[in-house]
Formats: sequence, structure tokens, C-alpha cells
Amino acid sequence: EAQVTQNPRYLITVTGKKLTVTCSQNMNHEYMSWYRQDPGLGLRQIYYSMNVEVTDKGDVPEGYKVSRKEKRNFPLILESPSPNQTSLYFCASSFGVPADEQYFGPGTRLTVT
Amino acid sequence: TQLLEQSPQFLSIQEGENLTVYCNSSSVFSSLQWYRQEPGEGPVLLVTVVTGGEVKKLKRLTFQFGDARKDSSLHITAAQPGDTGLYLCAGVRFGGDDKIIFGKGTRLHILP
Repeated sequence: EAQVTQNPRYLITVTGKKLTVTCSQNMNHEYMSWYRQDPGLGLRQIYYSMNVEVTDKGDVPEGYKVSRKEKRNFPLILESPSPNQTSLYFCASSFGVPADEQYFGPGTRLTVT
Repeated sequence: TQLLEQSPQFLSIQEGENLTVYCNSSSVFSSLQWYRQEPGEGPVLLVTVVTGGEVKKLKRLTFQFGDARKDSSLHITAAQPGDTGLYLCAGVRFGGDDKIIFGKGTRLHILP
């Protein structure tokens, strides 16, 4: 089954404790992206990757890191999480350009206390 | 600055009624997409429109891309409770970078 998986689905952590949210897709997609979704602000792009070893900042990259060492994986790293990073995070992938259909993961609800 | 403005933000109507949701911008987009998101899940693509003036139909849903490719609308005929959800428009700006921009969404609730 074609899908985007994210782990964990739910995470409660404390300020400053490094964490990684994993994202994996099995569709051989080149384009992968991370978003955060907040009430009243909608979906905002954090980082995106056009291909392996190619990453670029989205609209809200501060406080986040990503890597794309393999085509299928695109982890999101929070080196020192803060309460303002409490949010619902989505990973997405598409075949080529972002105008292609994006397939979204199920989401990761992160709470930073 | 919100590049894609969606209206209304919230809409609650009775089953069987018709409705239209709008997605507007001052920017030109090479394409616009509509997604639907249900609670606890990621957005799912409904349609992509790429040509100015294009109209696409998906059962009771009709999508239109403005002639100038700055706006789009989603019209639902005879709404059903299963249409309930968050509707998001998203676009890639013409001549811009590879970033996709999402509107804030329209939360639709169809009352049985």
C-alpha cells in the first residue's frame, strides 16, 4: 500500500530535549516536505526537499533541522524544542514538483512543556 | 501576509443545500489544488486545476480556476453529512520557487 508514515504519532516532551520525528514514504517520490498546522494559521511549510541531499527552507524553518540521506526518509529534528513548537506536524511527499499530488502522513501531535 | 485567502472560514448548513467556498489571491498561480482533511488525518487531494478558466467536476463537487489564475472556487451541490471536513486550497506561485502555499482552510459542517 502506497503511504507516508510518521513516528511517533503523539509526543509530549520538555523544553530543550532533542527529538526526531521520522517520515518515510514507499512511493519513490522525489519531493518531500514538512508542515506544521496550528489553529488560525493553517498549514505552514517548514522545510522541503527536492531530492536526496537537497533541502531548502519553507516559510517557518526556525528551530528545525532536516536531512535527506535516502530518498524514502525525511526526518524532522528539533535540537532544542520550545513550547511554541507545540503543534500538529505533517510530512508529505509527491512524485516530482509540489504541484503534483502530495500524499500526507497521518500527523504527529507534539506537545512541548 | 496570507497569500491565499479562503472564505468563509466556517460554514454550517443543512443537508441538501448548496454551497460555495472561495480561495482568493493577488498573486498568479501556476496551479491550484483543493484538499480535504478529516479529523485525525492528513489532507487528501481532491483536484488540481492548472488552466485559467478550467472547470473540473468530481461527483457533486465543482472546482473552477479563475481566468487570471489568481482565484478558485469549490461548489458543492446537495451537500451531505459525508462532506463535512476542512477544505484547503493550495498553490504554487507562477514564476516562483518550489514552495507550495496553503490557505487557512474552510471548516464545513453539514447537518443531517
